[in-house]
Amino acid sequence: GENVEQHPSTLSVQEGDSAVIKCTYSDSASNYFPWYKQELGKRPQLIIDIRSNVGEKKDQRIAVTLNKTAKHFSLHITETQPEDSAVYFCAVPGRAGGGGNKLTFGTGTQLKVEL
Amino acid sequence: DAGVIQSPRHEVTEMGQEVTLRCKPISGHDYLFWYRQTMMRGLELLIYFNNNVPIDDSGMPEDRFSAKMPNASFSTLKIQPSEPRDSAVYFCASSPTSSGGYNEQFFGPGTRLTVL
Repeated sequence: GENVEQHPSTLSVQEGDSAVIKCTYSDSASNYFPWYKQELGKRPQLIIDIRSNVGEKKDQRIAVTLNKTAKHFSLHITETQPEDSAVYFCAVPGRAGGGGNKLTFGTGTQLKVEL
Repeated sequence: DAGVIQSPRHEVTEMGQEVTLRCKPISGHDYLFWYRQTMMRGLELLIYFNNNVPIDDSGMPEDRFSAKMPNASFSTLKIQPSEPRDSAVYFCASSPTSSGGYNEQFFGPGTRLTVL
């Protein structure tokens, strides 16, 4: 199956600073890269995704960048706020070429935004 | 739409008992996924269905686990007999099909299972 590695496992930043989380994957044919956010005691929810035909996508304070050559993609959060504190998961398709929406999730990054 | 619905939200049972978790996907979604989340192993895909048919059950830990989807609006995950190591949060998620390929998975609130 697909392998995905996520780093760091924990990240602490000061309010207003930027946070970057990185994921690497093994299948060069992967073409869809979502990020999910899970607040404490809640369900994971999609916050942004990118498809392989673009290198970057932004949505207000969050952005995702993709480097297909190096097989890694990153989540960038700017001007962090306390409500950004959560666990963030990257995911990659479980099988290239349309494997039925199956995703393999990374191990998660616990982000803490300190006042 | 009410979103993905799971029941029960919390379940406490004793080792050896049968446990049944239930899920109602979002209407119109034809993919349904069962995940297990623990601190040690993270978010693991157990099994997923497409149009009520199991497509990949390679994540099901062992024969004690079984899942069914008798119709488009209902799925169950059963553990029999349950063991303490099955204690986890179990999420159900659903997603639609589109010509573009992958789509957002919408997660339910989860069932927190504790096996004593």
